[in-house]
Amino acid sequence: DAGITQSPRHKVTETGTPVTLRCHQTENHRYMYWYRQDPGHGLRLIHYSYGVKDTDKGEVSDGYSVSRSKTEDFLLTLESATSSQTSVYFCAISDDLAGGYSYNEQFFGPGTRLTVL
Amino acid sequence: QQQVKQSPQSLIVQKGGISIINCAYENTAFDYFPWYQQFPGKGPALLIAIRPDVSEKKEGRFTISFNKSAKQFSLHIMDSQPGDSATYFCAASMNFGNEKLTFGTGTRLTIIP
Repeated sequence: DAGITQSPRHKVTETGTPVTLRCHQTENHRYMYWYRQDPGHGLRLIHYSYGVKDTDKGEVSDGYSVSRSKTEDFLLTLESATSSQTSVYFCAISDDLAGGYSYNEQFFGPGTRLTVL
Repeated sequence: QQQVKQSPQSLIVQKGGISIINCAYENTAFDYFPWYQQFPGKGPALLIAIRPDVSEKKEGRFTISFNKSAKQFSLHIMDSQPGDSATYFCAASMNFGNEKLTFGTGTRLTIIP
């Protein structure tokens, strides 16, 4: 999985509790992303980061916050988990576009399955 | 707003047959169209990608066909094998992938003997 780890891999929590998911990379890539995957919706971008302390919202950012204090770590926080946030969460990384005729590939981590009761 | 529409939602193909998955996009600024393959319990992995200056790209048994005027692109899997059984996602991005990816909703492909 291209030097990407996610922790925890599985978590069950209760409505209203805070939850933090961690993504760790060893590739020194600049960009990091958090997606959620739900049946019928594919993968939807929650937040992304284009450098340390530089983050921006994706299409489904409500109820989520992120932080990136080091290149290798990108944290996703659910301040007060709700049942609608039950999902599989994927972290992805990519680097700056290489020169020439190329494109920027995103590499995905193994995912975290979160269940909010 | 669903900017990338993918069909079918599920597909069953016999071993040796051709699997075809279609996607349509709305944003004409997209210039990078990857396909991702995902096995159960794993993260998606890039399978093949195309830029809109070509109409077709082939890598082994996998081919992307791209129709810029129709704003459609498709994945063809020739000689489909049971090991190809997975969920496939199309996606699109601007700036050759430097911008965020917008994904289709996925196709669950099952190859039967």
